[in-house]
Amino acid sequence: EIVLTQSPATLSLSPGERATLSCRASQSVSSYLAWYQQKPGQAPRLLIYDALTRATGIPARFSGSGSGTDFTLTISSLEPEDFAVYYCQQRSNWRGETFGPGTKVDIK
Amino acid sequence: QVQLVESGGGVVQPGRSLRLSCAASGFTFSHYAMHWVRQAPGKGLEWVAIISYDGSNIYYADSVKGRFTISRDNSKNTLYFQMNSLRAEDTAVYYCARDLQQWLVDGYFEYWGQGTLVTVSS
Repeated sequence: EIVLTQSPATLSLSPGERATLSCRASQSVSSYLAWYQQKPGQAPRLLIYDALTRATGIPARFSGSGSGTDFTLTISSLEPEDFAVYYCQQRSNWRGETFGPGTKVDIK
Repeated sequence: QVQLVESGGGVVQPGRSLRLSCAASGFTFSHYAMHWVRQAPGKGLEWVAIISYDGSNIYYADSVKGRFTISRDNSKNTLYFQMNSLRAEDTAVYYCARDLQQWLVDGYFEYWGQGTLVTVSS
């Protein structure tokens, strides 16, 4: 089973700052990794898939990078609506899609 | 626009059963694989089941295998989740989610419902 770890657990930043979130897989997932954003009381939203492809309607300030076991989600300049929890998810073995534990981005 | 509306959640005693439904609209339901993903209160996301566009391929997380059954009725644009032998640890918001691409089992969740809360408690 592939295990995803995310760091940091919490990221405290101010609007306008750059956010860098990390996701590490216990074994290679190639580029089969996605990022989701979830706000309190809402369903998750797909941001990035295949490690670097933005989903429909996602602003350009969100970007993904990485392959193999190490991945990064970057938010170039935080907007007030970006403060949320972010999950990575792998589909390398789609019989067992797994999510990371999440990184909370909160306001400093 | 794509809409997924779950229903059927509620409070149920341990060992009992519950059936969730997910009504889909705004896209050709029969072309897409569908998933159930759950989230325990205050916890992270857990994928639990997938069904291919035609129902021919079905997979479950180990945590629900043998107790839960995913199915679909393409004529009614509806996804189902039969949950038997419920346990306290099954307490969660259950989301239905649509796969990203048509025909394939892509494994990314592009659209989500609003979720339905299942509480297993005596």
